[in-house]
Amino acid sequence: DTGVSQNPRHKITKRGQNVTFRCDPISEHNRLYWYRQTLGQGPEFLTYFQNEAQLEKSRLLSDRFSAERPKGSFSTLEIQRTEQGDSAMYLCASSFGQGGTEAFFGQGTRLTVV
Amino acid sequence: DQQVKQNSPSLSVQEGRISILNCDYTNSMFDYFLWYKKYPAEGPTFLISISSIKDKNEDGRFTVFLNKSAKHLSLHIVPSQPGDSAVYFCAASGGNEKLTFGTGTRLTIIP
Repeated sequence: DTGVSQNPRHKITKRGQNVTFRCDPISEHNRLYWYRQTLGQGPEFLTYFQNEAQLEKSRLLSDRFSAERPKGSFSTLEIQRTEQGDSAMYLCASSFGQGGTEAFFGQGTRLTVV
Repeated sequence: DQQVKQNSPSLSVQEGRISILNCDYTNSMFDYFLWYKKYPAEGPTFLISISSIKDKNEDGRFTVFLNKSAKHLSLHIVPSQPGDSAVYFCAASGGNEKLTFGTGTRLTIIP
């Protein structure tokens, strides 16, 4: 399967714990995006990378959130000191080129903070 | 401020008939529009897109229409099939790379 891969698919954590998600994009794609989706809403943009450079971050991405894309390949999204409001589906997407291209999504990581 | 709006949360269509999903946007900087389909517990799947220089794009059973003056786009699916039952998201981008999504329309195809 050469699509976007996300791990883990599900994560249950206690409030206050740190969690890290991984995304492996489609290999030739230079752009990688993180989105968050809550029930009844569309995906909301969090941040994106072009190669290894993080080019934009949403105001939704509080100081507890950090994303990296070392060497422009896979990416990680870490949430520190999780809160119940962080419970959501975290989606990763990748695309090739710039402007006006389709982004392809992974299956997402469902985070539940208890 | 919801820049991309899908005002119909749900739509039911008879199998074989045409499904029409609508989307409105407010940001005149948007110049690329996409439709995604989503099944439960899965990520969105890209369906079809359209650039603002066009007013129609067709791919098999799927056609997207763009009316820039009205800031409105629509997705037509014909003929509708049971496998089309899913949540459909409209998305837009402009100038930068991020996508702004609507809240989705749940399409149910009735056999």
